[in-house]
Order: sequence, then C-alpha cells, then structure tokens
Amino acid sequence: EAQVTQNPRYLITVTGKKLTVTCSQNMNHEYMSWYRQDPGLGLRQIYYSMNVEVTDKGDVPEGYKVSRKEKRNFPLILESPSPNQTSLYFCASSLSGVPGNTIYFGEGSWLTVV
Amino acid sequence: AQKITQTQPGMFVQEKEAVTLDCTYDTSDPSYGLFWYKQPSSGEMIFLIYQGSYDQQNATEGRYSLNFQKARKSANLVISASQLGDSAMYFCAMREGNIRGSQGNLIFGKGTKLSVKP
Repeated sequence: EAQVTQNPRYLITVTGKKLTVTCSQNMNHEYMSWYRQDPGLGLRQIYYSMNVEVTDKGDVPEGYKVSRKEKRNFPLILESPSPNQTSLYFCASSLSGVPGNTIYFGEGSWLTVV
Repeated sequence: AQKITQTQPGMFVQEKEAVTLDCTYDTSDPSYGLFWYKQPSSGEMIFLIYQGSYDQQNATEGRYSLNFQKARKSANLVISASQLGDSAMYFCAMREGNIRGSQGNLIFGKGTKLSVKP
C-alpha cells in the first residue's frame, strides 16, 4: 500500500530534550516536506526537499533541522524543543515539486512540549 | 493578501443532500494545481480531488466534484449525497508552478468545518 509513515504519532516531551520525528514514504517520491498545523494559523511548511541531499527552508524553519540521506526518509529534528513547538506535524511527499503532482500526507504527529 | 480564501468557517448539510464548499484563489502563475483535502477529527489529511490550471474539464472523483471557474478564480468542492462520515474539516489548497524559487509547497485555506445531520 502506498503511504507516508511518520513516527511517533503522539509524543509528550520536556523542553530542551532533543527529539526526532521520522518520516518514510514507499512511493519513490522525489519531493518531501514537513508542515505544522496550528489553530488559527493553518498549515505552514517547515522544510522541504526536492531530492536526496537537497533540502531548503520553508516558511517556519526556526528550531528545526532535517536531513535527506535517502530518497524514502526525511526525518524532522528538534534539537532543543520549546513549548511553542507544540503542534500537529505532517510529513508529506509527492512525485516532484510540479503543481500537477499530488501531495500525500502522513497521519500526523501530535507533539506536546512541556 | 490571502492566496486561498474559504469564506465558510462552518456549514451544516442534511444527510443525502449535496453541499458546496467555496474556495477562491489568487495567483499570477499560469501553471498551478488546486487540491481539496479532508481532515477528520482524528487528524489525518486525506487527499480528495485535484484540478490543474490547464484542465478543460471539471475534475470528479466519486461523490466529489470540483466546480472550476478559472476566470473567477474559484474552485468549489461539491459533495453529492452527503454521508455522516463526511463530517470533517475541508481544506482547499494550491500548488504554484513557478519552480524556480518555488518551495513546491501547498498553500492552504483556513478550512470549512462540515457537519452532516442525520
């Protein structure tokens, strides 16, 4: 089954404790990205990757890191999480970055930083 | 200026009736894609339907159809024969085609919360 898988789905962590949210897709997609969804602010892109070893900042990259060492994986790293990073996070992928390619989302990761 | 506008924060529809969710967009890019996603209370983001800016015909996917009016820059979602399971948030989104300098990202509207009444 074609899918985007992200883990963990739910996490409560403490301020400053490094964490990684993993993302993997099995569709051989070149383009991958991370979004966060917050009430009143909607979905905003954090980082994106056009292909392996090519990553770039989205609209809200502060406090996050990513890497794209393999095509299928695109982990999101919070080096020192803070409470304002409490959010619902989505990993997404598409065949490429062109507008005709549908973006598919993972199931979301609910992150709470206390 | 907002690129995607959904003017209906919430809507009610009777089960088995049709409902239209409004979406207008703003872009100067001649190449773009318009998408609708459904987000149930469990949180996942489910792709429903896609319309390309050069597509001549309106997109349809089962009970979902997209009423695309390019000159008016609108891309309304029509759900026919509503079901209780259609109760969810619905997001209209746009992906622009200017790859040089484009993040390739989806620009989302604020969403419309649809409630289907039995």
